Amino acid sequence: EIVMTQSPATLSVSPGERVTLSCRASQSVRSHLAWYQQKPGQAPRLLIYSASTRATGVPARFGGSGSETEFTLTISSLQSEDFAVYYCQQYDTWPPYSFGQGTKLEIK
Amino acid sequence: EVQLVESGGGLVQPGRSLRLSCAASGFTFDDYAMHWVRQAPGKGLEWVSGINPNGDSVGYADSVKGRFTISRDNAKNSLYLQMNSLSAEDTALYYCARWVVGFDYWGQGILVTVSS
Repeated sequence: EIVMTQSPATLSVSPGERVTLSCRASQSVRSHLAWYQQKPGQAPRLLIYSASTRATGVPARFGGSGSETEFTLTISSLQSEDFAVYYCQQYDTWPPYSFGQGTKLEIK
Repeated sequence: EVQLVESGGGLVQPGRSLRLSCAASGFTFDDYAMHWVRQAPGKGLEWVSGINPNGDSVGYADSVKGRFTISRDNAKNSLYLQMNSLSAEDTALYYCARWVVGFDYWGQGILVTVSS
């Protein structure tokens, strides 16, 4: 089973800052990685797939990069609505389509 | 408009069974793989099970293998999850989700609470 590890668990940042979230796979997942955003009381929202392709309607300030085992999600200038929990997920090998444990973005 | 609406959750005693349903609308259901993802209270996302468009390929997380069964009825645009031998560790909000490349649409989730 491929294990996804996200870091850090929590990140305290100020609006307008640039932030980078990390996701590491225990073995290569090629570019078969997605990122999701989840706000309290809501279902997750797909942000990025294929490691770097923004999903429909996702603002350009969200960017994904990486391949094989190392991936990053970058938010170029944090907006108030971006404070949420972010999850990575691999879909190279199933079952399972494993998720990372999440990174929570908090307002500093 | 794509909609996924889960139903069938609730409070159930340990060891009992429950069947979740997910009614899909707004898209051609039998064109898409469908999955169940759960989230225990205050915890992260856990993939549970998935099924391909015609239902002949399924997969399960180790934590539910042998106890849960995923199925679909394309004529009814519906996805199901039969959950047997439930334990407290299965308490969670269960989402159904459509798979494209990533889960692009999610239901609102249905709560399953396993407790005596």
